Amino acid sequence: ETGVTQTPRHLVMGMTNKKSLKCEQHLGHNAMYWYKQSAKKPLELMFVYSLEERVENNSVPSRFSPECPNSSHLFLHLHTLQPEDSALYLCASSQQRGTEAFFGQGTRLTVV
Amino acid sequence: AQSVAQPEDQVNVAEGNPLTVKCTYSVSGNPYLFWYVQYPNRGLQFLLKYITGDNLVKGSYGFEAEFNKSQTSFHLKKPSALVSDSALYFCAQTGANNLFFGTGTRLTVIP
Repeated sequence: ETGVTQTPRHLVMGMTNKKSLKCEQHLGHNAMYWYKQSAKKPLELMFVYSLEERVENNSVPSRFSPECPNSSHLFLHLHTLQPEDSALYLCASSQQRGTEAFFGQGTRLTVV
Repeated sequence: AQSVAQPEDQVNVAEGNPLTVKCTYSVSGNPYLFWYVQYPNRGLQFLLKYITGDNLVKGSYGFEAEFNKSQTSFHLKKPSALVSDSALYFCAQTGANNLFFGTGTRLTVIP
C-alpha cells in the first residue's frame, strides 16, 4: 500500500476509557501528521511532528495526546472522549513538511 | 490563511465521458497544489501535484490537472471516466508548511 500503517482499523470506546491509536511509516519520512476526518467537513489537521518534535498543535483538546517516540512511529492517546470525537483518524507522513503526504488507511473511532 | 474550495459536493458522469472535478485555491505566492482520492474505508491516496513548470500535470490512473493562475483554479480532469473512478476527491494546498484540504467532491461514474 502506501507504506503507512495504522492500527486498529476500528475502535469503539466508552467516554471513560483510555485507548491509543498507532501509526507506523516505512518510508523514511521526516514529518508525520494526525488528521481528523468528519462527515462533510474539511480534513482537520490536529498535530504535526517534524524530526520527532511536535511543531504544531491546532487547538486540539487535551483529551487527545500525541506521542512520537521515533521518526517511524506516531501515537495518539485518547482519554475521556466525547461522542462528537467519533470520526476517522488519519495518520500521514511526508519527506518534509509541505510536500506530498502519504496516508494510512485510518482508524474509525466510535465513542459511545 | 491558505484554503482550497471545492464548489461541488457531488459530481455525476456517465462512463466513458470526460470528467472534471473543480478546485480553486487561495492566492499565496507560489502555491503547491495536490489532488488526492479516497476510496471507501481507505485513507487518502496521492494522485498528482503542481509545484512549478508546465500548467498541465499528469498523475496516476489517467488523471490530469490544469493549473490556471488567472482563475486560481486547479481542476482535476480525465478524458474518459471509469466506474472504478467513483470515489471522494480532495484538493489540497500547502500553507505554513502544512497541507490544507478542501471539503471533498464525491464522484459517481454511472455505468
